[in-house]
Amino acid sequence: DTAVSQTPKYLVTQMGNDKSIKCEQNLGHDTMYWYKQDSKKFLKIMFSYNNKELIINETVPNRFSPKSPDKAHLNLHINSLELGDSAVYFCASSLGLAGGGREQFFGPGTRLTVL
Amino acid sequence: AQSVTQLGSHVSVSEGALVLLRCNYSSSVPPYLFWYVQYPNQGLQLLLKYTTGATLVKGINGFEAEFKKSETSFHLTKPSAHMSDAAEYFCAVSETGSSASKIIFGSGTRLSIRP
Repeated sequence: DTAVSQTPKYLVTQMGNDKSIKCEQNLGHDTMYWYKQDSKKFLKIMFSYNNKELIINETVPNRFSPKSPDKAHLNLHINSLELGDSAVYFCASSLGLAGGGREQFFGPGTRLTVL
Repeated sequence: AQSVTQLGSHVSVSEGALVLLRCNYSSSVPPYLFWYVQYPNQGLQLLLKYTTGATLVKGINGFEAEFKKSETSFHLTKPSAHMSDAAEYFCAVSETGSSASKIIFGSGTRLSIRP
């Protein structure tokens, strides 16, 4: 059973389009995250939700909008895609806030390519 | 604010040799420290973490790390490298206390193993 799953695994699209990435976890965790990993492997947190409440919103363009319909799901919608949005996006989850020393479980990633 | 510095973006060792990946942190309060590993085309998974107690921490796959407060370091070691250890390794630091919400990742070190 996949603990943290993301769909799609690959996403190729044109500049200006709108796209969504879905994430689901079956671990019973209450906190979920979106990270962006660039081509140099640098990993940066974008958003975090705890019990469906937004608790971290880093300096991300407002073209990015997360949505958490329930504790097991955290989706990421991106409007007006730009070339610089090309990256691998990781979803993660934890039981409690990760900053408190708790392990994060990561999904397999979604590789977004904007042409 | 917390930060992490990983020395060496790429480390190459021979199979059977000692693996040493360096990590230094900056924190104004006692930190929680983590090492995560990312195998090719996969998400990150926890290798080990330090929260409190014993400063030598053992993790999965024969890895261990030692928290040295005086040196603000948390270097990762493995006595004998195996081909399957080839991956990207990330050191991370978080704020202590259950209200802390995020962890900060280093820039990563790519470990290559020579036959």
